[in-house]
Amino acid sequence: DTGVSQNPRHKITKRGQNVTFRCDPISEHNRLYWYRQTLGQGPEFLTYFQNEAQLEKSRLLSDRFSAERPKGSFSTLEIQRTEQGDSAMYLCASSLEDRADGYTFGSGTRLTVV
Amino acid sequence: AQRVTQPEKLLSVFKGAPVELKCNYSYSGSPELFWYVQYSRQRLQLLLRHISRESIKGFTADLNKGETSFHLKKPFAQEEDSAMYYCAFKTGANNLFFGTGTRLTVIP
Repeated sequence: DTGVSQNPRHKITKRGQNVTFRCDPISEHNRLYWYRQTLGQGPEFLTYFQNEAQLEKSRLLSDRFSAERPKGSFSTLEIQRTEQGDSAMYLCASSLEDRADGYTFGSGTRLTVV
Repeated sequence: AQRVTQPEKLLSVFKGAPVELKCNYSYSGSPELFWYVQYSRQRLQLLLRHISRESIKGFTADLNKGETSFHLKKPFAQEEDSAMYYCAFKTGANNLFFGTGTRLTVIP
């Protein structure tokens, strides 16, 4: 297990197109989180899953955003009709339930909307 | 409102000098506090957490509930400490709230 893996590393898309990112967490971690980080800011929480259940969504997650974790393993984050304001680093993290030692982060997917 | 404040975006110190990265939080409950670090071209990683009261790479952080602070300190900075540092707290909902980060540069 090489940690949390995110693909692709970079994505450039035209405004209005749909994009999908994938996150593969550490295999024994049942919690998976998505964060967004824009320039000069810290990561901002978007949503998290416990196994396959999406338990919380941030107000940042507009209707154009959808996340899934169909089998409780990998997760996908889709952005429909991308806007320039969606340009950011999208980070995935995973953790064990009830472990108070923080998360393990992936390297992120950098999205640029042109 | 839940908030983490890191007042310094940039901090430069000379090698061997003490370093303190400030963090203040605003939360009505009892949060768990963390410091995360991101070295150049590496992923965000946990540096330390307040509940363990440990020292990692010479860094320590003490939770001061009266001042709602969790400042990160190291008595003698090293060049390899140059990185982006984020203070964060976790609420009962198990979500991490991050500050905006402080970029530490240790000057040789």
